[in-house]
Amino acid sequence: SQTIHQWPATLVQPVGSPLSLECTVEGTSNPNLYWYRQAAGRGLQLLFYSVGIGQISSEVPQNLSASRPQDRQFILSSKKLLLSDSGFYLCAWSVFGGGNEQFFGPGTRLTVL
Amino acid sequence: QQPVQSPQAVILREGEDAVINCSSSKALYSVHWYRQKHGEAPVFLMILLKGGEQKGHEKISASFNEKKQQSSLYLTASQLSYSGTYFCGTEHKTSYDKVIFGPGTSLSVIP
Repeated sequence: SQTIHQWPATLVQPVGSPLSLECTVEGTSNPNLYWYRQAAGRGLQLLFYSVGIGQISSEVPQNLSASRPQDRQFILSSKKLLLSDSGFYLCAWSVFGGGNEQFFGPGTRLTVL
Repeated sequence: QQPVQSPQAVILREGEDAVINCSSSKALYSVHWYRQKHGEAPVFLMILLKGGEQKGHEKISASFNEKKQQSSLYLTASQLSYSGTYFCGTEHKTSYDKVIFGPGTSLSVIP
């Protein structure tokens, strides 16, 4: 069966510090991978998605970046965090191609102080 | 590009029914429905595809009007466990693989 891992579960970082969140998927090959951010009490904002290694589509211009160094690994990064980067970060995967359900990881709750 | 959901919030008593609506301004390839409990990740409920195919939960029903670019989620005989925030997500015909979620509908079921 497939599983998706995210770490860390919670993170408190000062403004201006770097960020690296990691997501890995097990039990499937060539998945679509997604990063979403959810501000407190708000909806799911798509940040990045990837349909293959090295293929990243950015949805929101900001100080975040994403990379997919391996087929089942998706990394979200920032060189300098802003207060507005606080939120609940969710990684998700789906079978390659459209019209397939997304499976979400447990999420990382990031607080920028 | 973000789909519109209505209502924003609804409160039900156990056993009552509810309908949540989702609409898009762009031609749709599919509509997804997810439920999120507070502090948890969203959980898949259903996908509706153009052409009428549906994949998902046996106890939840939904409709998809391709021409109107609208979908509705039907929750019948609500239970306390139905409480949460419901999100619709849309894939557009010009960019399937990319799912854009609506702002969510908060559903509270009370005894």
